[in-house]
Amino acid sequence: GQQLNQSPQSMFIQEGEDVSMNCTSSSIFNTWLWYKQDPGEGPVLLIALYKAGELTSNGRLTAQFGITRKDSFLNISASIPSDVGIYFCAGNYGGSQGNLIFGKGTKLSVKP
Amino acid sequence: DTGVSQDPRHKITKRGQNVTFRCDPISEHNRLYWYRQTLGQGPEFLTYFQNEAQLEKSRLLSDRFSAERPKGSFSTLEIQRTEQGDSAMYLCASSLSPRGQGSQPMNTEAFFGQGTRLTVV
Repeated sequence: GQQLNQSPQSMFIQEGEDVSMNCTSSSIFNTWLWYKQDPGEGPVLLIALYKAGELTSNGRLTAQFGITRKDSFLNISASIPSDVGIYFCAGNYGGSQGNLIFGKGTKLSVKP
Repeated sequence: DTGVSQDPRHKITKRGQNVTFRCDPISEHNRLYWYRQTLGQGPEFLTYFQNEAQLEKSRLLSDRFSAERPKGSFSTLEIQRTEQGDSAMYLCASSLSPRGQGSQPMNTEAFFGQGTRLTVV
């Protein structure tokens, strides 16, 4: 089935650093969504993107829907400790009318 | 509105027992989804409803799994004869069905509940 490649798998951040992660697919996607999940909780929606080239911000978070419609990135500027968690990209493509395909996540941790 | 609500939050059951989970979606949302998530993975789609109709089922949804949404509001997910491999977080989400101008899908953001953690021993 369709898979999303999300990278990096994990990264360590120091407070104040900018963070970038991305997702690619082999199919054209109609929608890209970015979620954050804390341990033991459900994913929380951060940003939703609907048009190729769309760039959307939510506070310190910025995400873009790639022009090719096969990729998306999420940037976090000036990271803070509460940014720690797992970030998932998810998307909808023509063959999946009702369901979202998720990446495997990018785990953000604080540098020791 | 309090968002998507799932009950119970945690369930421990013995192998072979049946379990049932409940999901209450955001009240104005006509779509309801069930996902399963195992450790280190992203959520995997199981099934979804639009109003009362179950419109899509994943191959992951074996015949031991059944989902219902009888009145188009809350939904239940039942697992019969549980196996250890069923241990996972079961997530429910809801959304509006796509609408927008022309072919552009809009307002399809899916909002998730806190999940039900199932442990089969």
